[in-house]
Amino acid sequence: NAGVTQTPKFQVLKTGQSMTLQCAQDMNHEYMSWYRQDPGMGLRLIHYSVGAGITDQGEVPNGYNVSRSTTEDFPLRLLSAAPSQTSVYFCASSYGTSGFEAFFGQGTRLTVV
Amino acid sequence: AQRVTQPEKLLSVFKGAPVELKCNYSYSGSPELFWYVQYSRQRLQLLLRHISRESIKGFTADLNKGETSFHLKKPFAQEEDSAMYYCALSGANNLFFGTGTRLTVIP
Repeated sequence: NAGVTQTPKFQVLKTGQSMTLQCAQDMNHEYMSWYRQDPGMGLRLIHYSVGAGITDQGEVPNGYNVSRSTTEDFPLRLLSAAPSQTSVYFCASSYGTSGFEAFFGQGTRLTVV
Repeated sequence: AQRVTQPEKLLSVFKGAPVELKCNYSYSGSPELFWYVQYSRQRLQLLLRHISRESIKGFTADLNKGETSFHLKKPFAQEEDSAMYYCALSGANNLFFGTGTRLTVIP
């Protein structure tokens, strides 16, 4: 049972480049989400999805795009990378949000230069 | 609005000493609260949730609705407890995290 798998683990981008962070889960979870982790800021929600075909914005959605074509996959797209997007990104999944345990990926450390 | 506050960014205790990581929350409904932990080079994982009223790795946390707190406690800290701890509150379609407390247990 792989759980939540994120790729890549590390990435360096130049300002203005685009890229997609991949996230896949094999637990048949309906709820998936993306967070960014910054020093002193904790984890902040970027986008989330309550099921295939349904996505919504979180606390810090600007500059990011998501889609949910299948239950398993929830990719995060950076449209035009900026230095302010340098962060560690975490994907998470759970059966729901209310009272359910969230399972996290191992994180992607992104640096935008 | 939902808010989770962890007032201490860093906390150092000696091995065998009691440890308390503070968490206060703001939420209009009935809160569901969690503690997540991130050990070095490991992914974030659930430590415990208030609804289970359980003790995990010697840690306990009691929900105090009057003080809107959910402090994490352990009577005798161990070196392997050194990690980053996040308090989290489950809201509508979201899990709100505090800013985290880095606990260092000194041998």
